[in-house]
Amino acid sequence: EAGVTQFPSHSVIEKGQTVTLRCDPISGHDNLYWYRRVMGKEIKFLLHFVKESKQDESGMPNNRFLAERTGGTYSTLKVQPAELEDSGVYFCASSQDMGTPLTGELFFGEGSRLTVL
Amino acid sequence: DQQVKQNSPSLSVQEGRISILNCDYTNSMFDYFLWYKKYPAEGPTFLISISSIKDKNEDGRFTVFLNKSAKHLSLHIVPSQPGDSAVYFCAASPNYGGSQGNLIFGKGTKLSVKP
Repeated sequence: EAGVTQFPSHSVIEKGQTVTLRCDPISGHDNLYWYRRVMGKEIKFLLHFVKESKQDESGMPNNRFLAERTGGTYSTLKVQPAELEDSGVYFCASSQDMGTPLTGELFFGEGSRLTVL
Repeated sequence: DQQVKQNSPSLSVQEGRISILNCDYTNSMFDYFLWYKKYPAEGPTFLISISSIKDKNEDGRFTVFLNKSAKHLSLHIVPSQPGDSAVYFCAASPNYGGSQGNLIFGKGTKLSVKP
């Protein structure tokens, strides 16, 4: 069974440009999460989808970030326009039901590294 | 301000010895704690967890201890193996409102196990 997949693995863009990151969760997982790790810092929660609905977007930094999950399958995270401080690794994770994160069954993808120059 | 702190950015131990990774937290409302392990260029993978109603949870070579009064937890790996070399993240789950997947992570501790 395929795990959580993310694309691209690395993106290098200039300040002011737009980047779209994609996440394909594990098939059948209703919960999808986006996290971000800025260099040397902790992994920070961005938002949580349950199917196509945003359950919690309290971690989104500002309105330059837009996450979507049309149809409740894959998700995209768009950064527009990108700023230097947006550089980091963006992780996507999925889980099967609301209870499982509390048992640790949050499956992470390999991350998309974003470099903004 | 960081709610989950891992004050040691790195730790080096000899193969076969015990590795002890520490984590402190500030919010007494946290009710579940997790450890994740991360290899380079990979996503974090779940290792072990503990509920706030317990003080110890063991899984093979891995044991997590929780001291609620001190707001401190630790991960013990014994015996340590070279394959354990990775970055270990401590995470907490708040039980107040919000998403159950809203984990709060520490900055991580890089463990190196020398053969």
